[in-house]
Amino acid sequence: DGGITQSPKYLFRKEGQNVTLSCEQNLNHDAMYWYRQDPGQGLRLIYYSQIVNDFQKGDIAEGYSVSREKKESFPLTVTSAQKNPTAFYLCASSIAVQPQHFGDGTRLSIL
Amino acid sequence: AQKVTQAQTEISVVEKEDVTLDCVYETRDTTYYLFWYKQPPSGELVFLIRRNSFDEQNEISGRYSWNFQKSTSSFNFTITASQVVDSAVYFCAFKISNFGNEKLTFGTGTRLTIIP
Repeated sequence: DGGITQSPKYLFRKEGQNVTLSCEQNLNHDAMYWYRQDPGQGLRLIYYSQIVNDFQKGDIAEGYSVSREKKESFPLTVTSAQKNPTAFYLCASSIAVQPQHFGDGTRLSIL
Repeated sequence: AQKVTQAQTEISVVEKEDVTLDCVYETRDTTYYLFWYKQPPSGELVFLIRRNSFDEQNEISGRYSWNFQKSTSSFNFTITASQVVDSAVYFCAFKISNFGNEKLTFGTGTRLTIIP
């Protein structure tokens, strides 16, 4: 079945460490997105990419980095510069003007 | 800038009752899309509906119905005869109708609990 796969489901980060969250889709969607969700808040856009080798900052890009070397993959790196990384991270993809499809999310915590 | 407000943080109703989730948006754009997503305890967001700003017809899908009113900038969601499986967080979202700009603006969500 086509869909979006995020891994791992749970991730722990030590202080000063970079971690990378994986997002893979087999829907042949052109656009991919990363959102952050905090308790009691809506989803906030971190980065998005509409084509391979191109991406744009969202509303809260500081402390994060992405790459889009393949259409299917859009990994998110949470760098040590992100001082409050504990959150639920959701990846999404879409094609044309169709609604975004979401993965199951990765929950990141700080050790 | 666009803004989506879901004033109801949490709602609890007894099973089989009807419940309405409110969504109010702010925009200066004349063409846009509105969405509702459901987030069950498992975490993924499930798409429920998309509405174009030119189409103010109400929509019904089974026990779900949506009331879009441009005059009040609202896009409310009603669940009829609620069931325990409806328990989830529901998000309303907005997107301007501009190909190449796919950014969604989300409300803060309403946590709905259906009591058996």
